[in-house]
Order: sequence, then structure tokens, then C-alpha cells
Amino acid sequence: RKEVEQDPGPFNVPEGATVAFNCTYSNSASQSFFWYRQDCRKEPKLLMSVYSSGNEDGRFTAQLNRASQYISLLIRDSKLSDSATYLCVVLPNTGGFKTIFGAGTRLFVKA
Amino acid sequence: GAVVSQHPSWVICKSGTSVKIECRSLDFQATTMFWYRQFPKQSLMLMATSNEGSKATYEQGVEKDKFLINHASLTLSTLTVTSAHPEDSSFYICSAPSLAGGSYEQYFGPGTRLTVT
Repeated sequence: RKEVEQDPGPFNVPEGATVAFNCTYSNSASQSFFWYRQDCRKEPKLLMSVYSSGNEDGRFTAQLNRASQYISLLIRDSKLSDSATYLCVVLPNTGGFKTIFGAGTRLFVKA
Repeated sequence: GAVVSQHPSWVICKSGTSVKIECRSLDFQATTMFWYRQFPKQSLMLMATSNEGSKATYEQGVEKDKFLINHASLTLSTLTVTSAHPEDSSFYICSAPSLAGGSYEQYFGPGTRLTVT
């Protein structure tokens, strides 16, 4: 079992749609969680950190379920510019800085 | 936010030559940096963890004698691809973690696109 698993997609959605991405992690002691966005031929960029209480940033909502070891990202009112690969990232509780990346979920938003 | 730079942004080299890629943390000190490789339409693959003042830690399957890492200062790590071959052509990205303000964030460089002919 991979340490961080994501549905690779691709997700093809029309503009304005709501889309949800899921991610599961295997290390129950993991301490921090993030969603990154990566555009084609570019470096990953932090989209949002994920907090236990859930957090929202505009059209984006991230949630963490520690009991189920599950993280989600919800995008509302999808825009063409949301087309990218979304990476689920977990920082294990190993005392170091090495994060574990999911393979990413590709999203295509179409007009 | 913190900035990580990489140089060069792209490079073309001939098979058998070596290429050095620099990764710099511009406004913070990074005792640890990470080097990733990404092939087209594939996910990021961690190659190694660069540790300031000590040897790098390589991931399983990554040849340490082929991918030389040096982290001589708190703001600079270098990756040298030795005796490059066409199969080494890839997108190489570095990152540096920061705990500024008590919260963890990993900052990525813009990447270096290597083409070996």
C-alpha cells in the first residue's frame, strides 16, 4: 500500500461544477497535511494546508479525517484556470522534514 | 513568502558530460533541501535529501555516484548529474522546508529542465 494514495483521474468537469478530490494516508501518526497544485511544466505550489477543523479559502475547502486517515479537497464553481494536477502531501511524524507526495489528481475544467 | 531559486532553468548537454544544478534559498536558511525528478506526465519522485554539512540521503534506487549532491552552506545545495545520458533527461526540482512562524511549509524552486542529447 502506498503511503499516500490519490485517485489519478483525470477529472473532466465543466466550468461552474463542483469537484472533490480524495486522498488517504497510511501513517496514522502523520502530523501535517497539505494540498499543492502543479501546472504543466511548473513546480508545485502550496494551495492550502489542511487543519483538523477543516478550512476554507474562497472556492476551496479542505478537510481532514484523522480517524479514517483521509483528506479531501473540494473546489466549487470550477474555473478554466483550475485545470492542473492537485497533489496531496503528508508530513509524517518522524521528526524530520521529509514529506510524502501523492501521485496527484489531474483536473481538466472545460468551457 | 520564502523564495527558492534554481539555476539553470533549462540546459541541453551532450551525452557523457556532467551538469550542475544549483538550488538556493533566497531569504531563509535551509539545513535540509530535497531534490526531485519528474518525467512527463508522471508524479514527482524524491531523489535525495540534501543535508547541510553532511552527506545526502538517497532514496532507494537512486545512484549516489551518478547524482552528486553537495550542501556546503545554509542557502545552497547543488545536484550534479555525472556522465549524463538521454534517459537522465527530466525535470529536476529542488525544495526547501521552512518552519517560519511555527508552521511547516515546503518551498519549491522553479525547476530545471535537462535535455541530454
